Amino acid sequence: SQTIHQWPATLVQPVGSPLSLECTVEGTSNPNLYWYRQAAGRGLQLLFYSVGIGQISSEVPQNLSASRPQDRQFILSSKKLLLSDSGFYLCAWRISGELFFGSGTQLSVL
Amino acid sequence: AQSVTQLGSHVSVSEGALVLLRCNYSSSVPPYLFWYVQYPNQGLQLLLKYTSAATLVKGINGFEAEFKKSETSFHLTKPSAHMSDAAEYFCAVSAGASGSARQLTFGSGTQLTVLP
Repeated sequence: SQTIHQWPATLVQPVGSPLSLECTVEGTSNPNLYWYRQAAGRGLQLLFYSVGIGQISSEVPQNLSASRPQDRQFILSSKKLLLSDSGFYLCAWRISGELFFGSGTQLSVL
Repeated sequence: AQSVTQLGSHVSVSEGALVLLRCNYSSSVPPYLFWYVQYPNQGLQLLLKYTSAATLVKGINGFEAEFKKSETSFHLTKPSAHMSDAAEYFCAVSAGASGSARQLTFGSGTQLTVLP
């Protein structure tokens, strides 16, 4: 069966520090992968999506970047975090039009 | 282009009462529609989906939704609310279900509170 793993579950980072969130999927190949963010009191904002290794599409200009070094690995990064980067980050993969989500990472930038 | 509007960011119902969460969409092509539920500090879980088959869709946990093209709506209902239904609910629209990177467009969410 297909599963999606996301870590860490929670993260507290100071402003200006780097960030790396990792997402991996199992039980599938060549998945479409997505990074979403939920800010407090808001809906889901699509940040990045990827259709394959090394292929990244950015939906909004921001302080974040994404990479896909392997078929089933999707990484969200930042060189210097901002306060506004705080939020709940969700990785997801899509098959047959349906999104499956990871358990999320709560990021607090202080 | 596509969009989703969820009417009411917060809805409160009494335990045992009808749950009605409203969702209206716009899409230039026949849409696929989804309802997701999110419990605190967790990812989203699919409740149900409409993919151009039956207009009345039954999902998990006793929820159902009806696709009404004339009203461009896909409201979520449950006859009798349970305390465990308290969560945030998201409606989403997709222009088809291809395996491409065409993303879902999510509504802003509705927080459901169930009162004892």
